[in-house]
Amino acid sequence: DADVTQTPRNRITKTGKRIMLECSQTKGHDRMYWYRQDPGLGLRLIYYSFDVKDINKGEISDGYSVSRQAQAKFSLSLESAIPNQTALYFCATSDYTGDRTDTQYFGPGTRLTVL
Amino acid sequence: EDKVVQSPLSLVVHEGDTVTLNCSYEVTNFRSLLWYKQEKKAPTFLFMLTSSGIEKKSGRLSSILDKKELFSILNITATQTGDSAVYLCALSGGSNYKLTFGKGTLLTVNP
Repeated sequence: DADVTQTPRNRITKTGKRIMLECSQTKGHDRMYWYRQDPGLGLRLIYYSFDVKDINKGEISDGYSVSRQAQAKFSLSLESAIPNQTALYFCATSDYTGDRTDTQYFGPGTRLTVL
Repeated sequence: EDKVVQSPLSLVVHEGDTVTLNCSYEVTNFRSLLWYKQEKKAPTFLFMLTSSGIEKKSGRLSSILDKKELFSILNITATQTGDSAVYLCALSGGSNYKLTFGKGTLLTVNP
């Protein structure tokens, strides 16, 4: 079984709809992240969470919200989807390893299309 | 603000060629530089570099970091069609342990 899973894998929705993307991990990592990837723009951080009680905005959080329901679960919501939120969304996890950086491990991605 | 610039943005080679991918960066408080390979979907981890001049190797892939000149290179020798992918460079710096990604290099290896 995959260590980091995302559901759904593909989603088509209409402008104005509320959408939730879910991420679960079995790696036992404390840290979880949501990114979006757009052609030519690379991976950009939306939100990140260092533990269940810690949620932080990334560089492009407007229009998104998150919930860390448990150590293993981190969901991303689009309250009112708009077409420019069409993108590939990745969840990632990492384990803090002292004063060195943490390697992030990515889920398979969710392709979201907003019509 | 941390910055990562990768070059070239795309590259087409033939099987058996050797390629060098570049990553230059600006960072306030360097901790490490990471390389990922992204084929069809999720980026997969290749290397993490923290010290200058120490080469990391895995099969035909190798990478080295120059902290004085603020860059890293990823070398792939004897390329194969399976090496076709986007290669991402990411930087960890500052006090918040976030990664800043470059836009990637699209490598295409033709038979």
